[in-house]
Amino acid sequence: AQSVAQPEDQVNVAEGNPLTVKCTYSVSGNPYLFWYVQYPNRGLQFLLKYITGDNLVKGSYGFEAEFNKSQTSFHLKKPSALVSDSALYFCAVRSGGATNKLIFGTGTLLAVQP
Amino acid sequence: KAGVTQTPRYLIKTRGQQVTLSCSPISGHRSVSWYQQTPGQGLQFLFEYFSETQRNKGNFPGRFSGRQFSNSRSEMNVSTLELGDSALYLCASSLGGSYTFGSGTRLTVV
Repeated sequence: AQSVAQPEDQVNVAEGNPLTVKCTYSVSGNPYLFWYVQYPNRGLQFLLKYITGDNLVKGSYGFEAEFNKSQTSFHLKKPSALVSDSALYFCAVRSGGATNKLIFGTGTLLAVQP
Repeated sequence: KAGVTQTPRYLIKTRGQQVTLSCSPISGHRSVSWYQQTPGQGLQFLFEYFSETQRNKGNFPGRFSGRQFSNSRSEMNVSTLELGDSALYLCASSLGGSYTFGSGTRLTVV
């Protein structure tokens, strides 16, 4: 069965420091992987995706993610955190077959301290 | 280009009532999916519609239903509302491996 795991409920980082939000996945076949961010009482905002190609994916607002097939991971990173990055982050994988169903992780709350 | 539009943004309903939520996808997108977000269960897939046909359904009771119109707009309906149906309902419009979410409808059942 397809699944996504975000092992950390919360990540705390000081402004200006690098940040990493972890994600591992389990899927049959080649994965389509996504990161979304959610601000309070808002929908999901797309950050980046991996479908094929270069393992390092660059996305919006300075975020990037590295696809690691051997470790089945897709960690989200940013070199220098901003207070405005504080939000809820979701990793997702597209389910296999003729469907656009996304399977989400449980989310990681990122708190950036000034 | 216009994004995904969900209406209404907020709803308060009483137990036992029914509710209809609407989602207008990005122009040209024929796939619309619905998700329920709650603090306890996280983001859960409800169903997906493609060209007016339900292509996939999540593990929800039959009180949850949906449909898609010829212009790709989709509605979801929840009948006989329960307190546990209180949630943020999100729809996603997709094309070619890209998914765009609306701002959601916050449903509160009292």
